[in-house]
Amino acid sequence: DTGVSQDPRHKITKRGQNVTFRCDPISEHNRLYWYRQTLGQGPEFLTYFQNEAQLEKSRLLSDRFSAERPKGSFSTLEIQRTEQGDSAMYLCASSFRGRDEQYFGPGTRLTVT
Amino acid sequence: AQRVTQPEKLLSVFKGAPVELKCNYSYSGSPELFWYVQYSRQRLQLLLRHISRESIKGFTADLNKGETSFHLKKPFAQEEDSAMYYCALFLYGNKLVFGAGTILRVKS
Repeated sequence: DTGVSQDPRHKITKRGQNVTFRCDPISEHNRLYWYRQTLGQGPEFLTYFQNEAQLEKSRLLSDRFSAERPKGSFSTLEIQRTEQGDSAMYLCASSFRGRDEQYFGPGTRLTVT
Repeated sequence: AQRVTQPEKLLSVFKGAPVELKCNYSYSGSPELFWYVQYSRQRLQLLLRHISRESIKGFTADLNKGETSFHLKKPFAQEEDSAMYYCALFLYGNKLVFGAGTILRVKS
């Protein structure tokens, strides 16, 4: 499968724990995006990378959230001290250039108990 | 502020009936709009974008700047069209702003 992949697909964690998600974009894509989707809503932008540079972060991304793309390939999204409000589907997408179609991964569903 | 509104959470139609999924946007610049679709147990995927002006799976969407709308239409619904549909606005070449989505249910 040459599409965007995300790992894990599901994560259940207790409040206060740290979690890390991974996204592997389509190999030739230099742009990578993270979105969050809660029940009944469309995806909301969190942050994006062009190669290894993180170029924009949403106000939704509190200081408990950090994202990296160290070699311009895969990316990780870490949430520290998780809260119940962090429960959501976390989506990753990639594109070749800014205005190109964004290809989405299957998402990581986070449940904070 | 930039916003996309999809007023219907659910649209239920019979097979063969026309479909119109509504989308309105708020944006001060020149908009670039998309429709994404998510079929059951599949990932979100692009259906069509306004700049390409093409028909995909029988769906079309016309950008109406006067009414700030980008409604998705299909003359004859098919059961395989049942899915969640999201309208999205592309900002500054950096990110998509999505509407809340409309579930389309096509009944036989």
